[in-house]
Amino acid sequence: GQQLNQSPQSMFIQEGEDVSMNCTSSSIFNTWLWYKQDPGEGPVLLIALYKAGELTSNGRLTAQFGITRKDSFLNISASIPSDVGIYFCAGQLRTSGSRLTFGEGTQLTVNP
Amino acid sequence: GAGVSQSPSNKVTEKGKDVELRCDPISGHTALYWYRQSLGQGLEFLIYFQGNSAPDKSGLPSDRFSAERTGGSVSTLTIQRTQQEDSAVYLCASSLASNEMYEQYFGPGTRLTVT
Repeated sequence: GQQLNQSPQSMFIQEGEDVSMNCTSSSIFNTWLWYKQDPGEGPVLLIALYKAGELTSNGRLTAQFGITRKDSFLNISASIPSDVGIYFCAGQLRTSGSRLTFGEGTQLTVNP
Repeated sequence: GAGVSQSPSNKVTEKGKDVELRCDPISGHTALYWYRQSLGQGLEFLIYFQGNSAPDKSGLPSDRFSAERTGGSVSTLTIQRTQQEDSAVYLCASSLASNEMYEQYFGPGTRLTVT
């Protein structure tokens, strides 16, 4: 199936630092979504992107839909301990209906 | 409004037994998805239902896995003759899947342990 390469696989940062993670693919996506999963919970939608080049913010989170439609990044500014969790990117292909392809996740650890 | 709910939250079963996992999607959502997540891993797509169309079963790992969606709402994922490698968290999600809006909303998952 289609692959999304998400990096980094894990990150260890200090509280207050900014962090960036990204997803890339060889395929063109129509939609990019970013989710966060806390331990023992289902993923929660953070940001949805629908247009190439689109830059969207949600509080301290900013995500961009790459101009080539093959990549997206998520930035978190001024990290806090509750940012800890696994972040997943997901993309929707034009040919896949409403089915999403998920990245493998980025495990974020924030040290106080 | 109410989100996606799943039951049970935890299920421990003996190898060889059948299990049923339930998902109640968000009201009005036409699409429903099942995923499997092994410890520390990403989301493995299993099956998805879209309205009255035939489900996309391409992710089901074996014929021991099946799912139904009754009345376009509640869905049940059934695993027959469970094996230890079936141990995982099973996540359900739903979406409107219309007007090119593809956001999926997840339930809390069912943690299945096969002993």
